[in-house]
Order: sequence, then C-alpha cells, then structure tokens
Amino acid sequence: AQSVTQPDIHITVSEGASLELRCNYSYGATPYLFWYVQSPGQGLQLLLKYFSGDTLVQGIKGFEAEFKRSQSSFNLRKPSVHWSDAAEYFCAVGPYNFNKFYFGSGTKLNVKP
Amino acid sequence: GAVVSQHPSWVICKSGTSVKIECRSLDFQATTMFWYRQFPKQSLMLMATSNEGSKATYEQGVEKDKFLINHASLTLSTLTVTSAHPEDSSFYICSARVAGDTGELFFGEGSRLTVL
Repeated sequence: AQSVTQPDIHITVSEGASLELRCNYSYGATPYLFWYVQSPGQGLQLLLKYFSGDTLVQGIKGFEAEFKRSQSSFNLRKPSVHWSDAAEYFCAVGPYNFNKFYFGSGTKLNVKP
Repeated sequence: GAVVSQHPSWVICKSGTSVKIECRSLDFQATTMFWYRQFPKQSLMLMATSNEGSKATYEQGVEKDKFLINHASLTLSTLTVTSAHPEDSSFYICSARVAGDTGELFFGEGSRLTVL
C-alpha cells in the first residue's frame, strides 16, 4: 500500500537551531518525493522535490532533503531555523505522471525566539 | 511561480444547502486539477482528479453525487458540495498542474467549509 508517514506531529525548535523533519514512505513504484510547506490559511508551497540523481536536493528558503532508498526516507533539514519557518510541513510521494499524490499527516513546526 | 486561487476562502452554510467552491489557475492553463480534503490534524486526501472537458475521476469512497466537480475550462474547476451536512465540514484544497510540466503542483489557498 502507498503511504507516507511523518512520525512527528509537532516539533519546537529555537530560532537559529538546526531542524530535521522525518518522512518515511511506502510506494510500489519509483517514488517522486516532495516537501511542501503550508502557512496558516494558505495553500501549499513546494519546498523541494526529488526525481532522480543526486540524493541530496536543495530547495527554497535554505531547506534541503536527502533521499535514502534503503531506509525509504526523505528527511527535510535546515541548518538554522528562522522564526518565519514556523508552519506545517507535508511530505508527499507520487508517480511519474504526478496524478496521485500521497501526503503525510504533516509536522507542525514551532519556533521559539 | 504559477498562482492558483480558490474562492471562497471560507463559507458557512446551513445543513441541506449546496455550496460551490471555485478553483482558478490565474496565469497558466491547467488541463488537470485535483481536489483534496484535509481533516483537522490529518493529511490531505485526494478526492478527485478533474480533467478539462471530461468527467472527473473520483477516488474510492468519495461520493460523486455528493461532491460534484466540473472542469469547464482550462483555468477553472468547481467543486459543489450538495446537500451539505455537518460531517462535510472540512478544509478543501485544489491544486493544478501546468500543462506539459513535469512535476510541480500549484495549490490554492484552500476553502474552509463549515456546515451548521
């Protein structure tokens, strides 16, 4: 069965600290992996995506993610969190034609001053 | 990036009434749009895939007579919740895929429906 698991519902980090949001997936075909961010009352914005090639992908706003096939993981990282990063983050997996995305349940990030 | 706009952002209606939510791609043509439903503290669940000029494809468990989807043009898809009930209260989000693009979905800001 296709699924995406984000084990952390809430995470709180101090501003300037590093961040890692976990994402594990189960997918029967070659996965195309995505991280989206959702601010309150807003739609989802794409942070980064992985299709193939280098397993470490860079995204916007200083985020990066590493695809580890052996662990079926696609964790999101940021070396130094800013207060404006407080939002909800969703990991997603989809097929090559992007017709059906499976989303994780999201991780809500709080940033302490 | 491309912009997708949803309207209304929030709506409150009485039980038994119908509500229409619009999803527009403002600066690109979208041959395919997707409708998602997001329950509190849960993930987005795909409800249906909407292709311009053809019938929508509904996911298993989604009532097509309840959630009417129309994709009449390359820039507009509508979701009508018919005879709404309190259990239909939710956050509905649409997304659109740029024709010929390879991978990015652009999401609307969502529409929060509350059925009294």
